[in-house]
Amino acid sequence: DIVMTQSPDSLAVSLGERATMNCKSTQSVLFNSNNKNYLAWYQQKAGQPPKLLIYWASTRESGVPERFSGSGSGTDFTLTINSLQAEDVAVYYCQQYYVTPTFGQGTRLEIK
Amino acid sequence: QVQLVQSGAEVKKPGASVTISCKASGYTFPGYYMHWVRQAPGQGLEWMGCINPNSGDTKYAQKFQGRVTMTRDTSINTAYLELSSLRSDDTAVYFCARDRANGYSSTRLYFDYWGQGTLVTVSS
Repeated sequence: DIVMTQSPDSLAVSLGERATMNCKSTQSVLFNSNNKNYLAWYQQKAGQPPKLLIYWASTRESGVPERFSGSGSGTDFTLTINSLQAEDVAVYYCQQYYVTPTFGQGTRLEIK
Repeated sequence: QVQLVQSGAEVKKPGASVTISCKASGYTFPGYYMHWVRQAPGQGLEWMGCINPNSGDTKYAQKFQGRVTMTRDTSINTAYLELSSLRSDDTAVYFCARDRANGYSSTRLYFDYWGQGTLVTVSS
């Protein structure tokens, strides 16, 4: 299985500032034949199911605010939230779907 | 709108089995794989497997092979997860989640709609 490791485990950012979190896989999730990274990001608020934010590492899901962006390729990926809002408090998970799906352990985002 | 509505919380004794349902609405049920993902208290997400509602074909995570069975009833647009030989470490919230791919036999392995979750507590 591909192991996904997220950092940091928790993050506190002031309202209006930028939040950045990372995700690293133990092997590349870039499929060379289509040049796509098989990597998704989810947001999970307390007591709710996860919500898809980003897929193909950088494609925003419909309805997701533009302040959410994904980047990276191969084994190293980043989720950036610009101009942090109070409603962004959540745990964020990355997930690879290159092979049998596996998730990172999550990054907990709080307001400073 | 797409909705996945799961059955209610369960309390089971070690060694028992549990079956959870996931009723889909707002889309063509056979056209999208359904996955099951669990989350132990305060922990991360763990993929358990998936079912092709059109064919009934299943794929299970190796960890759960022999203990998990995924089925579906297309007449009522419902998917089921059965987990047997329950242990205390099976205590978790179990989610059904729809695969992104629309194609009756294709799967993307990431998930665009999720059920609300079903808490299964295993305790003697």
